[in-house]
Amino acid sequence: GAVVSQHPSRVICKSGTSVKIECRSLDFQATTMFWYRQFPKQSLMLMATSNEGSKATYEQGVEKDKFLINHASLTLSTLTVTSAHPEDSSFYICSAKGQVGTEAFFGQGTRLTVV
Amino acid sequence: SQKIEQNSEALNIQEGKTATLTCNYTNYSPAYLQWYRQDPGRGPVFLLLIRENEKEKRKERLKVTFDTTLKQSLFHITASQPADSATYLCALVPFSGGYNKLIFGAGTRLAVHP
Repeated sequence: GAVVSQHPSRVICKSGTSVKIECRSLDFQATTMFWYRQFPKQSLMLMATSNEGSKATYEQGVEKDKFLINHASLTLSTLTVTSAHPEDSSFYICSAKGQVGTEAFFGQGTRLTVV
Repeated sequence: SQKIEQNSEALNIQEGKTATLTCNYTNYSPAYLQWYRQDPGRGPVFLLLIRENEKEKRKERLKVTFDTTLKQSLFHITASQPADSATYLCALVPFSGGYNKLIFGAGTRLAVHP
């Protein structure tokens, strides 16, 4: 299958700082990228959907100013957690799709710990 | 309300047996449904996709069925191996939302014992 690379895999940051997570599609053009958050033993919760060159569409309850998403090119999307707090600690996962109707490929996830 | 339900209890089976996992949904009209495998601390890995007009899909030791009347998908692993131990997630793509949104169940943990 296609490869989606997510970086970093783990990050620890101090409360109040911002953290950027990158998601790259390595061997295909991702017209749509998705960002998920997952708590232990729970489902992946969709945070936002982004299409290249346009603003992200956020799910209900997700703060746009808190979780900044930039989909600058067909191979790169970034999620910035701004002014992070301990409650933002979670597993964040990106996925990418090439065309409507095809499967989504996932990055390896980023474990964020805010101390 | 809309729900996707997978058995939250772990499924423990003996090596060589067939594992069957269930995904039930409520108040969705799926265009298609997908199954993923997730290992601890890793992102999901795509396994199989089945469309709403398909009854069954197979890939090597994997088989997925889709019953839109029962609103249920079954995922089977035949001749299971300890390496199949993981959490298996079902996800559906509803007709609404531009065929883009993947909505996940919470997953079922499978443990295959030698």
